Order: sequence, then C-alpha cells, then structure tokens
Amino acid sequence: SQTIHQWPATLVQPVGSPLSLECTVEGTSNPNLYWYRQAAGRGLQLLFYSVGIGQISSEVPQNLSASRPQDRQFILSSKKLLLSDSGFYLCAGRGTNEKLFFGSGTQLSVL
Amino acid sequence: EDQVTQSPEALRLQEGESSSLNCSYTVSGLRGLFWYRQDPGKGPEFLFTLYSAGEEKEKERLKATLTKKESFLHITAPKPEDSATYLCAVQVPGNQFYFGTGTSLTVIP
Repeated sequence: SQTIHQWPATLVQPVGSPLSLECTVEGTSNPNLYWYRQAAGRGLQLLFYSVGIGQISSEVPQNLSASRPQDRQFILSSKKLLLSDSGFYLCAGRGTNEKLFFGSGTQLSVL
Repeated sequence: EDQVTQSPEALRLQEGESSSLNCSYTVSGLRGLFWYRQDPGKGPEFLFTLYSAGEEKEKERLKATLTKKESFLHITAPKPEDSATYLCAVQVPGNQFYFGTGTSLTVIP
C-alpha cells in the first residue's frame, strides 16, 4: 500500500530559526508529491507540488521553499521562520491511483 | 480562478438525524472530485472519488453525489463516531488538488 512517512509530529521553533521538514513515500514509484498547510479550523492550502526529482512548482509566494532530491523524498524548508508560518503541515502523494494519500502531519508552532 | 466552497462550516446533529454537506466548485477542467475525512491532529483519510456528473458512491452511512457545479455528501442516521471534519477537493489539469475549508460535523449521542 502507498504510505507517507512524515516527521516530526510536533515542532516548536523560535522566530528567525531555520526549518526542515521531510517526508518519504513507500509503495509507489515516481509519485507526484505535495506540501499543504492547514491553519487552525481552516482548509488545506497548497504550498508546493512536484512531479519528479528536482521539479518544484510553487503555488503562493512565501517564506518557504521545497526540494525533491530523490524520487520518494520531499523536503520543506525555511531559512528564517515567521510567526505566520505556524500551522499544520501535511505531505501528500499521488501514485498509481488518482487519489491523494496523506502523511500524519507536523504541527509547527513558531514563537 | 479555481475555487472550492464548502457549507455549512459546522454542523451539529443528533444521533440518527440525517443531513447533507455541500461542496460547490468553480474550476476549469475538473479531473475529479474527492471527499476526505479528517480527525483532529491527523492527516485526511480518503473517502470517495467522483469523476462525472450523475455519479454516486456509497460507503456505510455516507453517500457522495456529483453535479456539474457541486457535490453533496449525504450522511444517513449518523453515529457519534462520524464526528470529524469532512473536506472536499478538486483535481484540475496540471496535477494540482485544491481543497475547500471543510465542514466540521459533530454527532451528539
């Protein structure tokens, strides 16, 4: 089965510190990968998506960046976190099936 | 601009009281409409995919339907364990998936 591994589950970071969130995919090859952010009580905002190694599309201008160094690895980064970067970050993939499958998410609090 | 709107934002039902959740969309070239269930602090879980107007899918107490402009998630005789946030998403050409803001459902015993 297709699975997304995402860590850590919870992260507290000071304003101005760097960020690196990683997710890895199992059970499918050459998946499309996605990073979403969810504010409290809100829907999912698409941040980045990737159709292959080194191919990143950004949906909104922001303080974040993404990279895909390997087929099954997707990384979300920031050089300096802002308070507004707080939220629930979800990595998702789409493999042989049309549907998206999600990781368990990372709750990021920037203080 | 592609847009997905869900209503109501929140819904409280008595156990056994059937109702419907709405997802309306404005997209250029719908590739598919998806329903997900999300429990607090967890990633969304897939429920249904609908591809064309008139299509229906069922799973236990849930039934999803699709028209050219909206989708409904019908919940028949809900139970407390159906309490969750229900999200709909549309897939558009270019591999993007856009989500609505969700409906938070609470089923009271």
